[in-house]
Amino acid sequence: EVQVVESGGDLVQPGAFLRLSCAASGFSFSSYAMNWVRQAPGKGLEWVSAISNNGGSTYYADSVKGRFTISRDNSRNTVSLHMNSLRDEDTAIYYCAKDSGWSGHSNFDCWGQGTLVTVSS
Amino acid sequence: EIVLTQSPGTLSFSPGERATLSCRASQSLTRSYLAWYQQKLGQAPRLLIYAASTRATGIPDRFSGSGSGTDFTLTISRLEPEDFAVYYCQQYDGSAPTFGGGAKVEI
Repeated sequence: EVQVVESGGDLVQPGAFLRLSCAASGFSFSSYAMNWVRQAPGKGLEWVSAISNNGGSTYYADSVKGRFTISRDNSRNTVSLHMNSLRDEDTAIYYCAKDSGWSGHSNFDCWGQGTLVTVSS
Repeated sequence: EIVLTQSPGTLSFSPGERATLSCRASQSLTRSYLAWYQQKLGQAPRLLIYAASTRATGIPDRFSGSGSGTDFTLTISRLEPEDFAVYYCQQYDGSAPTFGGGAKVEI
């Protein structure tokens, strides 16, 4: 079964750092790009970041560029999102989503259940 | 950035009825790289349709997608009780993926 499971969400103060992780199973992880998509409470979906299958290319939404870093470890079938300088507006459920292609510019055919990040003083 | 508009934001139907949801792009999706997702309360989104009209694996054939250019449609031919949810369109035609604001299908 194709599956992705997120972890790492927490309550943090503005300006803090947090790292989210996503563990994948059931598919050839190194063949597919991976993404992070977030959803603020009661709001719609916002794509955050993508990484190509081999990690050679990374992409970010303007709202997180320069603060967030995506990385992957194909030997461990994991993808991470390092989040610096967190702001109140980063509060959201963060979903890990498998890309249907290798490059990171496609649709998302498998989603995790999400991990909640709350930024508040 | 390509902006996707889903209007209206809420649609009301009875079970068994046909539902048609709209998604309009701010510029033409030349490759028709548009997807539709279903999200039920408290759950993750699920891919329904990709490339405007191709059903994802395991999706019932009462779901269909159509459209090209700037106007796309998701049709549910006969609403089942489990279909009442929020639906999002997403484009991956441009430099960065974007989602529509969502359309809630309610009873």
